[in-house]
Amino acid sequence: EDKVVQSPLSLVVHEGDTVTLNCSYEVTNFRSLLWYKQEKKAPTFLFMLTSSGIEKKSGRLSSILDKKELFSILNITATQTGDSAVYLCALTDKLIFGTGTRLQVFP
Amino acid sequence: GAVVSQHPSRVICKSGTSVKIECRSLDFQATTMFWYRQFPKQSLMLMATSNEGSKATYEQGVEKDKFLINHASLTLSTLTVTSAHPEDSSFYICSARGFLGTEAFFGQGTRLTVV
Repeated sequence: EDKVVQSPLSLVVHEGDTVTLNCSYEVTNFRSLLWYKQEKKAPTFLFMLTSSGIEKKSGRLSSILDKKELFSILNITATQTGDSAVYLCALTDKLIFGTGTRLQVFP
Repeated sequence: GAVVSQHPSRVICKSGTSVKIECRSLDFQATTMFWYRQFPKQSLMLMATSNEGSKATYEQGVEKDKFLINHASLTLSTLTVTSAHPEDSSFYICSARGFLGTEAFFGQGTRLTVV
C-alpha cells in the first residue's frame, strides 16, 4: 500500500528560525512529489519535484527530492508569522497526501 | 496558478437528504479530478479519482453508492452525498489536474454539516 509520512506532525518556532520539514514515502512508480501549504481552506501549490537532487527555490522556501532514500525536505529560512500553516506533501499520479506538518511561527 | 471553483462553500442539511457539491476548473480543462475529505487537524484523505467520461475510482473504504461522483465534462465534476448522516459532516475539497500538468489545483472546499 502506498504510504506518505511527514514529520514532525507539529512544530512551534519563533520568527527568524529556520525549519526543515520532512516527507518520506513508500510509493512505487510516481512521477512527481508536490508540496502544498494549507492555511484556512484550499491548499496552495508550492513546489513540484521530479528529479532527484535538484533543489527548487522560491524566496525563503526551498525543497529537494532524494529518490534513492525516498524522501523530500522543505526548508523555510527566516520564518515569519505568515508561514504558519499546515504543509502537505503529495505524490502523483494518484495525489496521495502525507499526514501534514502543522507549523506555528510566533513573533 | 489555474483556478478551481468549488460550490457551495458551506452547506447545512437535514439527515436523510442528499447534497451535491460542484467543482469547476475555470481556465483549463481538467482531465482528472480528485475528491478529498478532511477532518479537523487531519490531512486530506483521498476519496476518489475521476477522469472525464469514465467512472470514478474509489479508494478502499469509500462507499461509491453513498458518494456519487460524476465527471461529465472537462470542466465540471460533482460529488453527491446521498442520504447524508451526521457522521458525513466534514470538509470536502476537490482538486483538478489538466492534460499535461502533474500539479493539481484545489477548490476552496465545502464544509458540510448534517443535522
